[in-house]
Amino acid sequence: DVKVTQSSRYLVKRTGEKVFLECVQDMDHENMFWYRQDPGLGLRLIYFSYDVKMKEKGDIPEGYSVSREKKERFSLILESASTNQTSMYLCASTPLAGSETQYFGPGTRLLVL
Amino acid sequence: RKEVEQDPGPFNVPEGATVAFNCTYSNSASQSFFWYRQDCRKEPKLLMSVYSSGNEDGRFTAQLNRASQYISLLIRDSKLSDSATYLCVVNKDSSYKLIFGSGTRLLVRP
Repeated sequence: DVKVTQSSRYLVKRTGEKVFLECVQDMDHENMFWYRQDPGLGLRLIYFSYDVKMKEKGDIPEGYSVSREKKERFSLILESASTNQTSMYLCASTPLAGSETQYFGPGTRLLVL
Repeated sequence: RKEVEQDPGPFNVPEGATVAFNCTYSNSASQSFFWYRQDCRKEPKLLMSVYSSGNEDGRFTAQLNRASQYISLLIRDSKLSDSATYLCVVNKDSSYKLIFGSGTRLLVRP
């Protein structure tokens, strides 16, 4: 079974703080994704990575950066958290080409005060 | 216009009912289509892929209409455990990037 884990289920931060969200997958998947999910908007892609040290912007990258130093780990960084970044953050992974099935982590619910 | 549109519901049906959801997508270049299920406060999980010829998995049937750019999900003999949000998912420009609909909520009552 594919397992995708995220470092925190719930997180409360203050405006202006730097926030790190970690995601780890144990299935040697090449592709990893960060989404945020907001009511009525569905999941929106923030960034994705198709290989170590490679990254591409998704649809809403502003205010975020990512890091992929190892294949199994993909980190999302909020450089200076703002209240409009309060959301559910979901990490996903998928093997290289041929499979678009995405396996999701349990999510991190972030509240920025 | 959203790239993937779904009726948010909720659809409130009795156990044993048949219920159908539709979803429309705007990108005619999309090649892959899926239904994901998301339980309350949980992550989305793949329910089924949707193939051009239509496909069935137990009580669930998925259909694709490329000409009209919509996908459907039919659930027969609804169970209480089917209560969830169903996400319509389409790949973007035939890439492995996915576009998620905002979901249709289903409530199955006893």
